[in-house]
Amino acid sequence: QVQLVQSGAEVKEPGSSVKVSCKASGGSFMNYAFNWVRQAPGQGLEWMGGIIPIFGTPNYAQKFQGRVTITAGEFTNTAYMDLSSLRSADSATYFCAKVAVAGTYYGAFDVWGQGTVVTVSS
Amino acid sequence: EIALTQSPGTLSLSPGERATLSCRASQSVSGSSLAWYQQKPGQAPRLLIYGASSRATGIPDRFSGSGSGTDFTLTISRLEPEDVAVYYCQQYGQQYGGSPRTFGQGTKVEIK
Repeated sequence: QVQLVQSGAEVKEPGSSVKVSCKASGGSFMNYAFNWVRQAPGQGLEWMGGIIPIFGTPNYAQKFQGRVTITAGEFTNTAYMDLSSLRSADSATYFCAKVAVAGTYYGAFDVWGQGTVVTVSS
Repeated sequence: EIALTQSPGTLSLSPGERATLSCRASQSVSGSSLAWYQQKPGQAPRLLIYGASSRATGIPDRFSGSGSGTDFTLTISRLEPEDVAVYYCQQYGQQYGGSPRTFGQGTKVEIK
């Protein structure tokens, strides 16, 4: 069973960027979609985008187009989410999550990382 | 983009009671591509149900999902104290014009 381990908490200033990593172990990496979902304090879940490493072309939510970059490292089994032009509203817990079915973006998220808290503050 | 509306916002029940959670989509969800997740405080979400009615690995059989089209239901047949959590529905089907994997706003389940 795949496990996802994310990088640690970050504190960033408004206008800067943050890059969060998600390392997969214990299973196949290249053929599965890895997604990023964020959750502001006390709020619900918001899908940001995803990538299937073997295909390489990410799929983004329209809301984050132009501000988010999702990549994957073939030799490190790690997915990354880079969010730029940070503002206070981006303060949230960011989760990575794997799709249950290989080779498609369109599946339920069966494995989740532990979450990374990003705080945007001056 | 498909919007998902969950009801009620909060459900307060006694142990052993039946919990019924609703998720309504603004348009038909293709292929019953609907999932339910459970999230306990301070934890990541956990997949309960996929394909509207299939239980994920290791999920107790007191959790069941049903529905199709625009109306979906998660039922907890006999509520247990460890079921206290927020429950989210999510649609993940492919749609014309873009396919955001939208979530509902959540239903909080409490024990009386």
